[in-house]
Amino acid sequence: LAKTTQPISMDSYEGQEVNITCSHNNIATNDYITWYQQFPSQGPRFIIQGYKTKVTNEVASLFIPADRKSSTLSLPRVSLSDTAVYYCLVGDSLGGGNKLVFGAGTILRVKS
Amino acid sequence: ETGVTQSPTHLIKTRGQQVTLRCSSQSGHNTVSWYQQALGQGPQFIFQYYREEENGRGNFPPRFSGLQFPNYSSELNVNALELDDSALYLCASSLAGQGRGMTEAFFGQGTRLTVV
Repeated sequence: LAKTTQPISMDSYEGQEVNITCSHNNIATNDYITWYQQFPSQGPRFIIQGYKTKVTNEVASLFIPADRKSSTLSLPRVSLSDTAVYYCLVGDSLGGGNKLVFGAGTILRVKS
Repeated sequence: ETGVTQSPTHLIKTRGQQVTLRCSSQSGHNTVSWYQQALGQGPQFIFQYYREEENGRGNFPPRFSGLQFPNYSSELNVNALELDDSALYLCASSLAGQGRGMTEAFFGQGTRLTVV
């Protein structure tokens, strides 16, 4: 599974847009890019997944350039409750099931 | 609320003891994965069960073992507990066989295991 690199931490203020970039230089053709959010003492929660170009859902957008060697999670107008750890993962489920490989993640701190 | 429940929520064990952690997967999901998360680190994959068979294992010793039952619930067993086994143990359920993409995994709240 491809290794990912993310910033260790980011700070933001309420109401701002936050962009977290993840590098995955060894991404394979079949790999998708998935982001999870984790609050302290809770399990990770799925945010968004994409393969190429742009994906948007009710909580975030995911931008993936043509070479797919990086991706950017965009959180619009963050609030204090968005303070969490954000993980970028790449991989596929060929062969059955997910064997998610988490890195250290990015600690996002939202301030008032 | 993910529909994945784990028990117990907290547990304290003595070094050398054995522990069993339990997980009820989300309805309709056929795959359960277990992860160990040490403080300040990302979750580390222990193993996965698909239709009651082990379907992949991470870099964990054989004293970490598991089971999946016909109703797709699962157990994680750890023998000969060591101090370094203290961590948050997470269970995730998903629906395998989707082909392309990583199907969304739903995590439980975890079991906080402390080994003293």
